[in-house]
Amino acid sequence: KQEVTQIPAALSVPEGENLVLNCSFTDSAIYNLQWFRQDPGKGLTSLLLIQSSQREQTSGRLNASLDKSSGRSTLYIAASQPGDSATYLCAVEGTKSNDYKLSFGAGTTVTVRA
Amino acid sequence: EAGVVQSPRYKIIEKKQPVAFWCNPISGHNTLYWYLQNLGQGPELLIRYENEEAVDDSQLPKDRFSAERLKGVDSTLKIQPAELGDSAVYLCASSLNRGGQFFGPGTRLTVL
Repeated sequence: KQEVTQIPAALSVPEGENLVLNCSFTDSAIYNLQWFRQDPGKGLTSLLLIQSSQREQTSGRLNASLDKSSGRSTLYIAASQPGDSATYLCAVEGTKSNDYKLSFGAGTTVTVRA
Repeated sequence: EAGVVQSPRYKIIEKKQPVAFWCNPISGHNTLYWYLQNLGQGPELLIRYENEEAVDDSQLPKDRFSAERLKGVDSTLKIQPAELGDSAVYLCASSLNRGGQFFGPGTRLTVL
């Protein structure tokens, strides 16, 4: 069974600092990896999707890397802003036909202080 | 392009009552998922549909939960009877040919 771990569970930084969020997974046989943002009481917003053959994806201030062999992904958020405060979730999709679901970590809750 | 639509957004019921949630996926998305999210945890899959066929319902508590996706478009998830432990957020997601999953706003269920 795929296990996804996100460290740290919570992070508080001053505005302008770069954010580094870590995600690890136990089974390297993944189809893709997605990073999501979740605001309190809201659904999940997809930030970045990395296919298993890719090493990284970028969107604006966000950059995510994937090292499938070591079971790790890192989400970098440059020049953080108070509006970046949210919970960030990492999820991996399996490769087997009976496992086309996302296995999620518990998330990292980020607070950016003005 | 409209996103995944879910209703209701909030539902409060007494235990042993029935409840139903509705989801309309992104137009053209062939795969629909129902997830359950408990407080402080990541979502967990309940059921996955490919078009109108439920292809993975191994995590669905079938004694009280049921789901349907008529005509391969929108879907309904039902709980009957609800228990206190069913209080959670129920999320619907959709995807097209495994190109990433997109989530709706969720339904927050409170069972008293």
